[in-house]
Amino acid sequence: NAGVTQTPKFQVLKTGQSMTLQCAQDMNHEYMSWYRQDPGMGLRLIHYSVGAGITDQGEVPNGYNVSRSTTEDFPLRLLSAAPSQTSVYFCASKKQYEQYFGPGTRLTVT
Amino acid sequence: TQLLEQSPQFLSIQEGENLTVYCNSSSVFSSLQWYRQEPGEGPVLLVTVVTGGEVKKLKRLTFQFGDARKDSSLHITAAQTGDTGLYLCAGGVGGFKTIFGAGTRLFVKA
Repeated sequence: NAGVTQTPKFQVLKTGQSMTLQCAQDMNHEYMSWYRQDPGMGLRLIHYSVGAGITDQGEVPNGYNVSRSTTEDFPLRLLSAAPSQTSVYFCASKKQYEQYFGPGTRLTVT
Repeated sequence: TQLLEQSPQFLSIQEGENLTVYCNSSSVFSSLQWYRQEPGEGPVLLVTVVTGGEVKKLKRLTFQFGDARKDSSLHITAAQTGDTGLYLCAGGVGGFKTIFGAGTRLFVKA
């Protein structure tokens, strides 16, 4: 089992560019989520999904879109990147109480 | 807005010392998890507690959930350099969402 995988590991974008952060899990978990981690602020929930075809907003959803067409995949789209979106992004899948995190994507927006 | 406050934010101790990290909220959580995160990696689950007053031990680490399920503590006995890392507490909300504390950065000196 690979667990939760994320690509790319690093990305640099210019302001206004768009991109998709990929996330996949092979544990057949229904619940998946995206977080961003900024210094001194812990992990903040961007969007989450409780199953294929079902998504909802978290704490900081503005500027991000998600979709969930399969149980395995949960991509995060940045529509028009802004410097405030410079952060480390983590995808996670969850079984009952326990979340399993991917290795993260470090995104810099210049 | 539900908040989880962790203290201290930073802790630097000598190998062999004991320490306690606290996680406090004014909200009741259905469950509480503790994670450890190393640089460049995603958080890794250490333990989940779900019952008020519950105590769990993981080798030299002792986790306690408050009676009212609003707070938790992590106690490390005889810290080792391998314990160095960022410790995050997270509270379960409404069955799907998870709220994270800002983290305690622990540095154990040899």
